[in-house]
Amino acid sequence: AQTVTQSQPEMSVQEAETVTLSCTYDTSESDYYLFWYKQPPSRQMILVIRQEAYKQQNATENRFSVNFQKAAKSFSLKISDSQLGDAAMYFCVHSGGGADGLTFGKGTHLIIQP
Amino acid sequence: EAGVAQSPRYKIIEKRQSVAFWCNPISGHATLYWYQQILGQGPKLLIQFQNNGVVDDSQLPKDRFSAERLKGVDSTLKIQPAKLEDSAVYLCASSLGVGGLIYGYTFGSGTRLTVV
Repeated sequence: AQTVTQSQPEMSVQEAETVTLSCTYDTSESDYYLFWYKQPPSRQMILVIRQEAYKQQNATENRFSVNFQKAAKSFSLKISDSQLGDAAMYFCVHSGGGADGLTFGKGTHLIIQP
Repeated sequence: EAGVAQSPRYKIIEKRQSVAFWCNPISGHATLYWYQQILGQGPKLLIQFQNNGVVDDSQLPKDRFSAERLKGVDSTLKIQPAKLEDSAVYLCASSLGVGGLIYGYTFGSGTRLTVV
């Protein structure tokens, strides 16, 4: 079974600064995907970024980038130039491929200070 | 493109009562998921359908929870009888293919259930 651990229940950052959210995972799969999802108060999960485990290059989406360390089973999210709209719960998510559903971490509540 | 629709948005019931939630996925999406998100935790998969067949229901408490997806389109999740620990947000998601890894997952806004 897969497990995902987010050790930071809450993080706070000043607007326009950079913040990094941590995530570690455990999996028996050789081929898997990792995601960061954002959940604002509206409750709808929004995909932020995804990483295929077989790719060594770290994924980047505009101000969002990941540091994927496969051997260490670490998958952190860096948000650059933080904006007020980035405030939300962020979930680190694993999927083992095929018909598997998603395994979520407990989430990190990100606060953006104006 | 319309999103994943869920109703009701909120529901308050007494313990031992029954409740049902409804989900209408994006048109053409073959795979549908129900997740339970207890306050302060990440969502947990309850059941996964592909078309109208069950792919995975290993974490569904089958003594009180049931789900169906008639005609491979919309789906209902039922709890009977409800317990206090069932208080949670119930999220529905859909995907074009089997697993959302290639095509992505789209989530609804969920139903917040409070059992008193």
